[in-house]
Amino acid sequence: KQEVTQIPAALSVPEGENLVLNCSFTDSAIYNLQWFRQDPGKGLTSLLLIQSSQREQTSGRLNASLDKSSGRSTLYIAASQPGDSATYLCALQTVGLVFGAGTILRVKS
Amino acid sequence: KAGVTQTPRYLIKTRGQQVTLSCSPISGHRSVSWYQQTPGQGLQFLFEYFSETQRNKGNFPGRFSGRQFSNSRSEMNVSTLELGDSALYLCASSQLYGTIYEQYFGPGTRLTVT
Repeated sequence: KQEVTQIPAALSVPEGENLVLNCSFTDSAIYNLQWFRQDPGKGLTSLLLIQSSQREQTSGRLNASLDKSSGRSTLYIAASQPGDSATYLCALQTVGLVFGAGTILRVKS
Repeated sequence: KAGVTQTPRYLIKTRGQQVTLSCSPISGHRSVSWYQQTPGQGLQFLFEYFSETQRNKGNFPGRFSGRQFSNSRSEMNVSTLELGDSALYLCASSQLYGTIYEQYFGPGTRLTVT
């Protein structure tokens, strides 16, 4: 059974910092990995999708990498802003999406 | 292009009742998946529909059921509601059935069971 772990559970940083969110999974037989953002009480916003044959994806200040052999993905956020404050979730596509518990990010101005 | 829409956004029901939630996917998307989000269990997969057929199912009791219509709209039904069914129910759509397609989520329906 696929299990997804996200570290850290919470993170508080000053505005402008570069930061890394980590996601690890137990079964490397994945199809793709998707990073989402969730604002309090809201739905999920897709940030990046990495297919299993890819190593990384970039969108603006966001960069996500995937290393299937070690069972890890990282989400790198450059020059963080207060508007980046949200919960960040990674999810693996198997039978439906399997989600981690998320990292709660707070960027202080 | 309009996003995924879910109705109603908020719902309060009494234990033992049943409830139906609705999801309209992004235009052109034919796959709809449903998820339950609770503080204790996080986000969990309920089921996926494609071309009016259930393709995958998560580990939930038979009280949770769904269907998909020819226009790809989907409904989810929960019968004999329990207090533990209180959750945010999210649906997601993707272009086709399969594992390489990005999923887009709606805003969710907040269900409270009293």
